[in-house]
Amino acid sequence: GAGVSQSPSNKVTEKGKDVELRCDPISGHTALYWYRQRLGQGLEFLIYFQGNSAPDKSGLPSDRFSAERTGESVSTLTIQRTQQEDSAVYLCASSFGQGVGGSDNEKLFFGSGTQLSVL
Amino acid sequence: AQKITQTQPGMFVQEKEAVTLDCTYDTSDPSYGLFWYKQPSSGEMIFLIYQGSYDQQNATEGRYSLNFQKARKSANLVISASQLGDSAMYFCAKRGTGRRALTFGSGTRLQVQP
Repeated sequence: GAGVSQSPSNKVTEKGKDVELRCDPISGHTALYWYRQRLGQGLEFLIYFQGNSAPDKSGLPSDRFSAERTGESVSTLTIQRTQQEDSAVYLCASSFGQGVGGSDNEKLFFGSGTQLSVL
Repeated sequence: AQKITQTQPGMFVQEKEAVTLDCTYDTSDPSYGLFWYKQPSSGEMIFLIYQGSYDQQNATEGRYSLNFQKARKSANLVISASQLGDSAMYFCAKRGTGRRALTFGSGTRLQVQP
């Protein structure tokens, strides 16, 4: 697609329910990232995919959080037994992931995010 | 640890004037990349400018330039001729050696006044 697409754009759920957030990266981008942004704060790294594998999942805050990516394309972030502190905007980004110097290879393209509200 | 520090939570600038947004970072990486992103109130993250640690010259992109001082570990963003549409949050970020994920600072909210 033309850009990184995330769905849903907004999700309201009850505490204790599971949620799935979807990210469709830019075609051809092998690297995919999930970030979390709490209200008024900066971006907090969650997990990075290179292809279908996740070499860096150091940012996942607890075992309630998991993510997968299939076909070097779509990724799903799952939050189980949601808590109120999970309320945030979840941002997905993708890049070429080649690691070669130069702005176009290095920069991340972000989606519009999913606003998650846990009541 | 990768730490990015933006010491200015908020900045005001008059339209058409230049403004500098500060960013310092911790690193022991032999090479790294520095980024600035803009986040308007709509929420999207917009890439502005990139500086590689071995780049000989400071990066420029239109009205944006990066004042890179490697020895001081600073990468300040300079916006020239500010416009009302520049009002947004600005985030500095860094990618280190062997780690592809960007680490972001806490951001600076810039407000351009007419």
